[in-house]
Formats: sequence, structure tokens, C-alpha cells
Amino acid sequence: DQQVKQNSPSLSVQEGRISILNCDYTNSMFDYFLWYKKYPAEGPTFLISISSIKDKNEDGRFTVFLNKSAKHLSLHIVPSQPGDSAVYFCAASDKAAGNKLTFGGGTRVLVKP
Amino acid sequence: EPEVTQTPSHQVTQMGQEVILRCVPISNHLYFYWYRQILGQKVEFLVSFYNNEISEKSEIFDDQFSVERPDGSNFTLKIRSTKLEDSAMYFCASSEGYEKLFFGSGTQLSVL
Repeated sequence: DQQVKQNSPSLSVQEGRISILNCDYTNSMFDYFLWYKKYPAEGPTFLISISSIKDKNEDGRFTVFLNKSAKHLSLHIVPSQPGDSAVYFCAASDKAAGNKLTFGGGTRVLVKP
Repeated sequence: EPEVTQTPSHQVTQMGQEVILRCVPISNHLYFYWYRQILGQKVEFLVSFYNNEISEKSEIFDDQFSVERPDGSNFTLKIRSTKLEDSAMYFCASSEGYEKLFFGSGTQLSVL
């Protein structure tokens, strides 16, 4: 199932700098997008979401951008902190079809002090 | 902060045995889900449950799987006759509505 794809399996960034995570999707029916963060031995933790009627949503250090024409979204983390080191998952849903989330494969972020 | 609780954290079973994975969703949530993640693969949807019935299920969720909300607080996933390929981390999740899902810490199921 390649409907949601995160092409970068890993990302390394210096503390204080910006982390940019990318996600592409193919299903044009998706209308709600979420980013989750996952530490080892824990479940995914909700970070931030965006509806398809918006192109940007910001929450503290986290900003999600949506480009519907390109079927692309990105997560910006500024400034990056060592505690941000985790696996980040992009997920999408089509609300009209229920609340099933389709996940990307994840990007492992390492923030170096 | 309220959280989704899953038990056990680890479950080891023999192939062909039945297992029940348990979850206590967040108390005011109305939608309940099971997802799983096989090692090295994506988190994948299994089933969603609303108003005491399955609202959606994936092709993975065959007749070997069942879900139940036996007492108004617990939400269980039963695998009737486990196979080696059922080995995975199973996540329970709940949500208030059609927005963000809250996930539990997962149950690591190992089928030998």
C-alpha cells in the first residue's frame, strides 16, 4: 500500500536547526492529514494535523504545510531539540470513508546536541 | 492526561493458539481501533468500532480476528488461531470523533 509515502527513512540535524520532514500521497480523496511521533516501545503520539481546506497549521515549534496540487505535505520543527529524536509518521484519512488512517513508512530523526 | 492502556505489553504464544489483546480506551471516546505494525513495515489499519459494531475493517481482518467491547470500558482483539505472520506490535487507539486518534503503547505479540 503506497498511498502515503515518506521517501526519507532518516534525517540527522543539529540541535537548534530546522528539521523538515516530507510526505507524499496519491489518494486525492484524502482530506485530513496528521503527523505522529513515536519513541521505541511506545505507541504513536499525535503531534499536529491539517485539514485539506488549509495549507498551513502551526502549533508551537511544529508547522505542517499542505500542497494539495502536489499531493505533498511537510512538517517543520524549529528549533530542533534532542528530545525530538524519534520516528515521525505521516498519516492521512478520507473522512467521508470513515476514520481509517493510512500511514507512511516513517522517518527516523536524530537531533545531535 | 488521559491515555489508552493496553495489556499485556508482551505476549508469546504457540502457533494455533488463541490470544486476546486488551485495551482500555479513553473514557469519553466513541471510536475504537486496532492497528498493527509488523517489524520493519508500516503501521496498518485492522478494524474500527463504533456504537458497538465494526464500522470498517481491512482485508487483514479475516475470520480469525474478532473485536468486542464486553463491559463498556474494555475493548479486546481476539485472534482465534494464531499464525507465525500474526507476530507484530498491536496498537489500540481511540478517538472522540473523526479527528486525531490516541494510541496505546502496544502489545508485542510473538507467535512461535
